[in-house]
Amino acid sequence: AQKITQTQPGMFVQEKEAVTLDCTYDTSDQSYGLFWYKQPSSGEMIFLIYQGSYDEQNATEGRYSLNFQKARKSANLVISASQLGDSAMYFCAMREGGSQGNLIFGKGTKLSVKP
Amino acid sequence: EPEVTQTPSHQVTQMGQEVILRCVPISNHLYFYWYRQILGQKVEFLVSFYNNEISEKSEIFDDQFSVERPDGSNFTLKIRSTKLEDSAMYFCASSEGWWEGTEAFFGQGTRLTVV
Repeated sequence: AQKITQTQPGMFVQEKEAVTLDCTYDTSDQSYGLFWYKQPSSGEMIFLIYQGSYDEQNATEGRYSLNFQKARKSANLVISASQLGDSAMYFCAMREGGSQGNLIFGKGTKLSVKP
Repeated sequence: EPEVTQTPSHQVTQMGQEVILRCVPISNHLYFYWYRQILGQKVEFLVSFYNNEISEKSEIFDDQFSVERPDGSNFTLKIRSTKLEDSAMYFCASSEGWWEGTEAFFGQGTRLTVV
């Protein structure tokens, strides 16, 4: 079974609008971390935001926020006020507490921001 | 800001040859990782390394692969007898620790092309 599922292969959003990228996860660990990374066309992996399984508040970092619904095992990324530079692949990832630190990635969502 | 650096950025090699991909992790980090991303696919964990030994490896990381920390700064991935299907982007990452909340910092990647 997939540990990280991103069901949207591609998304379009109008510049200045908000967009939600979906991510669901599967783990039996009580302690885990959820991450979002951005990969522009140049290829590098850029860390965006982190949510811990015990965090009660949703994480926010500037225009990025993570809509964490633990009971539903979802960790959706919300980007507010989209900019043209937000066009990229976005990967959801999980680190389980019982692992040696490695990240498990989803297949990614390609976001295209339209002017 | 400290960063993970990888060299070369792009390597072309003939099938059957050996390649060494190099990484300089962030200096105070203790945990090092290699990930692979075949074009258009998700990022896959290969191996984690701590205290001069492999701490975890995936099924992909078979006898064809090896990792080494030859000195205090470099972290290398060696791929012996390369195959066409080894063509991918290879990312090195490092982190301070292995616990679930630790951010992994990624290098810019090495694009390996096997011809």
